Amino acid sequence: NAGVMQNPRHLVRRRGQEARLRCSPMKGHSHVYWYRQLPEEGLKFMVYLQKENIIDESGMPKERFSAEFPKEGPSILRIQQVVRGDSAAYFCASSPPSLGGSSSEQYFGPGTRLTVT
Amino acid sequence: DQQVKQNSPSLSVQEGRISILNCDYTNSMFDYFLWYKKYPAEGPTFLISISSIKDKNEDGRFTVFLNKSAKHLSLHIVPSQPGDSAVYFCAASASGAGSYQLTFGKGTKLSVIP
Repeated sequence: NAGVMQNPRHLVRRRGQEARLRCSPMKGHSHVYWYRQLPEEGLKFMVYLQKENIIDESGMPKERFSAEFPKEGPSILRIQQVVRGDSAAYFCASSPPSLGGSSSEQYFGPGTRLTVT
Repeated sequence: DQQVKQNSPSLSVQEGRISILNCDYTNSMFDYFLWYKKYPAEGPTFLISISSIKDKNEDGRFTVFLNKSAKHLSLHIVPSQPGDSAVYFCAASASGAGSYQLTFGKGTKLSVIP
């Protein structure tokens, strides 16, 4: 059973460009969470999505950041007009549908390391 | 405002000895606590958890202790093994709406010396 997959693993963008990070949840999981880890910090919750729905985006910066989880395909975290402060590791986690949103059943992917030059 | 604090950035322990990793929290609404282990270039892996109705949970070599009055928890690893060398994150959540939101500490890097 494949785990949570994220790609790319490393992404380099110049200031002002767009970054697209993809996350494929574990098989059978329909809940996706995105977390961001800034250097020397812990992971911070960004957004919780179910298929075609954003459930909670309270941790997302108000501008330039958006997330989606379409009916088909991976979840996408999109950062427009990236700035140096966006450089971080972005982790995706997924959980099975029967438990809804649950902290105890979140399985994390390997992360995407975004570097903005 | 850091709601989950891991005040020791690093810890070195001899193989075979006990490793004790500490975590403090400030939010009284937290009632579920988790420890994650993270190797370089990998995502966090769930290790062990504890609900606030308990004060101890044990799983093999790993035991988590919770002191609610002190808002403090600790992870004990005994005996420590070189493969335990990793960054350990303490995380917490509050039941009810938003229970899926994990609040993480900054992590403690454990080095187990052979």
